[in-house]
Amino acid sequence: DSGVTQTPKHLITATGQRVTLRCSPRSGDLSVYWYQQSLDQGLQFLIQYYNGEERAKGNILERFSAQQFPDLHSELNLSSLELGDSALYFCASSIGGNTEAFFGQGTRLTVV
Amino acid sequence: AQTVTQSQPEMSVQEAETVTLSCTYDTSESDYYLFWYKQPPSRQMILVIRQEAYKQQNATENRFSVNFQKAAKSFSLKISDSQLGDAAMYFCAYRSMNYGGSQGNLIFGKGTKLSVKP
Repeated sequence: DSGVTQTPKHLITATGQRVTLRCSPRSGDLSVYWYQQSLDQGLQFLIQYYNGEERAKGNILERFSAQQFPDLHSELNLSSLELGDSALYFCASSIGGNTEAFFGQGTRLTVV
Repeated sequence: AQTVTQSQPEMSVQEAETVTLSCTYDTSESDYYLFWYKQPPSRQMILVIRQEAYKQQNATENRFSVNFQKAAKSFSLKISDSQLGDAAMYFCAYRSMNYGGSQGNLIFGKGTKLSVKP
């Protein structure tokens, strides 16, 4: 158990819908990272928050957004979902940028 | 931009034998970290080993060791005495050494699927 908790584990939704994925980082970790793992694109970095502020942005679509709350948990919002958004979404956390990142078990999103 | 390449989509090894997974990367930075992550069927991403680019000594963790060639930008993973539980996807990853201390996203290769034959 990495100490990073992601909910839900599985999510099935229809095209055009909006979903929210939740991540609780390890106790004491200030950084939260979101990654998308799909068959065609592999593992891609989406966005990072550090102590409530956005720190780095990767290949995140405009339909996607994230935030980190004062209690340091983070949410990834995916809207106007398309079939191609079906993927495994990972959250990882670390104390800072130069320390180990620990991954949650992921949320499997299926868009039908 | 940094890139990570794993040229072996699949590898196979006999139980108790040794296997080496390849990884090359491209960067203009001089200081960075390299990692190998394991993803078993449970899909959990597990850190196997890490290497700091400024360290000349190759990292070792039990049966796992790396061959880090900085000039060649090569970072291979050797698994000795392979076990059935080693069967998984293995990802090579790069991270800049961030002196600011706040950024730290990983750049992953496409992965190598390792099968272990009994």
